[in-house]
Amino acid sequence: DIVMTQSPDSLAVSLGERATINCKSSQSVLYNSNNKNYLAWFQQKPGQPPKLLIYWASTRGSGVPDRFSGSGSGTDFSLTISSLQAEDVAVYYCQQYYDTPFTFGPGTKVDIK
Amino acid sequence: EVQLVESGGGLVQPGGSLRLSCVASGFTFSTYWMHWIRQAPGEGLVWVSRIDSDGSSAIYADSVKGRFTISRDNAKNTLYLQMNSLRAEDTAVYYCTRQGPYLDYWGQGALVAVSS
Repeated sequence: DIVMTQSPDSLAVSLGERATINCKSSQSVLYNSNNKNYLAWFQQKPGQPPKLLIYWASTRGSGVPDRFSGSGSGTDFSLTISSLQAEDVAVYYCQQYYDTPFTFGPGTKVDIK
Repeated sequence: EVQLVESGGGLVQPGGSLRLSCVASGFTFSTYWMHWIRQAPGEGLVWVSRIDSDGSSAIYADSVKGRFTISRDNAKNTLYLQMNSLRAEDTAVYYCTRQGPYLDYWGQGALVAVSS
């Protein structure tokens, strides 16, 4: 199974400041035949299901604000919130869909400082 | 509008059984692979099972293999998860999700509590 790790476990950022979450996979999730990274990011708020933010490592989901961006390739990825808003308080998960079983990172809790 | 609506959750004793359903609408259900993902209280997301579009192939997490069965009825646009020999550690919110090829739509979840 591909193991996903995230850092930090939690972070507190001032409103309007940048937040960056890192994600690492135990093996590459880059599929050479199409040059796509099979890596997604989800946002989960309390009592709600996860919401898809980013897929193919860097493509924003439908309706996702452009302050959210994803980057990276192979085994190292990051999610950046360029200017943190109050509504961004949530837990963020990375997930690989390169191989089954699909696996998730342990989550990073983002809060307001 | 794509919708996934789970039902069938509840409180069950250890060793008992439960069947979850997930009714899909707003898309051609029969063309998508579907998954079940679960989340124990206060914990992260864990993949449980996947079924292909016509129901001919299914795979399971080791933790549920031999106890859970995923199935689907494409005529009814419904995904199922039959859960037998339930254990306390199966307590979780169970989400059905669509793979297209990433997990793009999720239901609201069904809570399964296993306790005596």
